[in-house]
Amino acid sequence: SQKIEQNSEALNIQEGKTATLTCNYTNYSPAYLQWYRQDPGRGPVFLLLIRENEKEKRKERLKVTFDTTLKQSLFHITASQPADSATYLCATHTGTASKLTFGTGTRLQVTL
Amino acid sequence: GAGVSQSPRYKVAKRGQDVALRCDPISGHVSLFWYQQALGQGPEFLTYFQNEAQLDKSGLPSDRFFAERPEGSVSTLKIQRTQQEDSAVYLCASSWDRDNQPQHFGDGTRLSIL
Repeated sequence: SQKIEQNSEALNIQEGKTATLTCNYTNYSPAYLQWYRQDPGRGPVFLLLIRENEKEKRKERLKVTFDTTLKQSLFHITASQPADSATYLCATHTGTASKLTFGTGTRLQVTL
Repeated sequence: GAGVSQSPRYKVAKRGQDVALRCDPISGHVSLFWYQQALGQGPEFLTYFQNEAQLDKSGLPSDRFFAERPEGSVSTLKIQRTQQEDSAVYLCASSWDRDNQPQHFGDGTRLSIL
């Protein structure tokens, strides 16, 4: 069955550093991979989408890579700020308007 | 509002009662999804609608779970004879029915079964 793994341990980094979160998937080849941010008591908020034929996508301080050989995506936040503290979810889907398969999420804590 | 709206935000029910959770998607969004999120876990897919048609209900955990979207806009997720293991956050999401579109989530309904 499809499986997505994210580091379940919280990631603690200092303000200004680059945070790197990992998402690994097994047993399938998704067409798209998305990253979402989730704050406590709120629904996930879409951040970035990357297609299987794209290696890298950027948006402001965010960067996502997608390595279909390693079956892995890396999510980077540069110049991190305390406001970036949240849980970040990796999700894949196989085609148009199809269901998302989520990882468990990684909690990021940015300290001063 | 412009976002996905879910109600109620919190629901407490006794084991065995029936509950109904409502989702108001973004206007014009063709696709609507329901997910279940347990504490400390990522959302898990329950069911998917394209307009009023329920195209995928493979994630519904039992026949006690039923969803509908009769007019292709508002959707209701109903859980009959609730059990304690049904306690979770139920998230609704909507999107345009086109390639490369993100899903827009509501803030969910937190269901607690006593």
